[in-house]
Amino acid sequence: EAGVTQSPTHLIKTRGQQATLRCSPISGHTSVYWYQQALGLGLQFLLWYDEGEERNRGNFPPRFSGRQFPNYSSELNVNALELEDSALYLCASSSLEGLAGELETQYFGPGTRLLVL
Amino acid sequence: QKEVEQNSGPLSVPEGAIASLNCTYSDRGSQSFFWYRQYSGKSPELIMFIYSNGDKEDGRFTAQLNKASQYVSLLIRDSQPSDSATYLCAVNKGDYKLSFGAGTTVTVRA
Repeated sequence: EAGVTQSPTHLIKTRGQQATLRCSPISGHTSVYWYQQALGLGLQFLLWYDEGEERNRGNFPPRFSGRQFPNYSSELNVNALELEDSALYLCASSSLEGLAGELETQYFGPGTRLLVL
Repeated sequence: QKEVEQNSGPLSVPEGAIASLNCTYSDRGSQSFFWYRQYSGKSPELIMFIYSNGDKEDGRFTAQLNKASQYVSLLIRDSQPSDSATYLCAVNKGDYKLSFGAGTTVTVRA
């Protein structure tokens, strides 16, 4: 079974530009989550999409946005890039079905490393 | 107070020993708890989850949960050099977003 996939693996942008990151969940999973892992700051929750709708959002400015497509894949868009947006962006997916504990279990993709110059 | 706190590392253990990792959480309503392993430069990999008080074993790993004390731990038995990584504790409060601790780096000495 294929895991969560993300593209691109690396992305270099300059301040003020926009970045688009993509994620495909595990087959059968309908929920997609985005996290940011900046150096020294740990993993921070960004967004949760399920069945095409944004269900929850972390403490990030509105220039972080995204969407989920009918095939459950997802895009994360970061507008007006700032230097501090440089980080590893991780996508995770879960099925929201199954036994207790299993339904919240999130599986991570390899990440996109974004560098803002 | 941070939502999830882990004992500060790094933790160095000899090969074959038991590594003990601790995690406390602030929200008493938290429902499920996860341990992830993250190798340097890689993404987190699920080790196991636990949601009921007590112990849960999976191979060389044992997770322990005590909701009254708001405490979850991970024991790694017969530690191997391949266990050298950062271990992340994550908590789900029921809102489907995970809150992560800062992680504990484990080094297993051959």
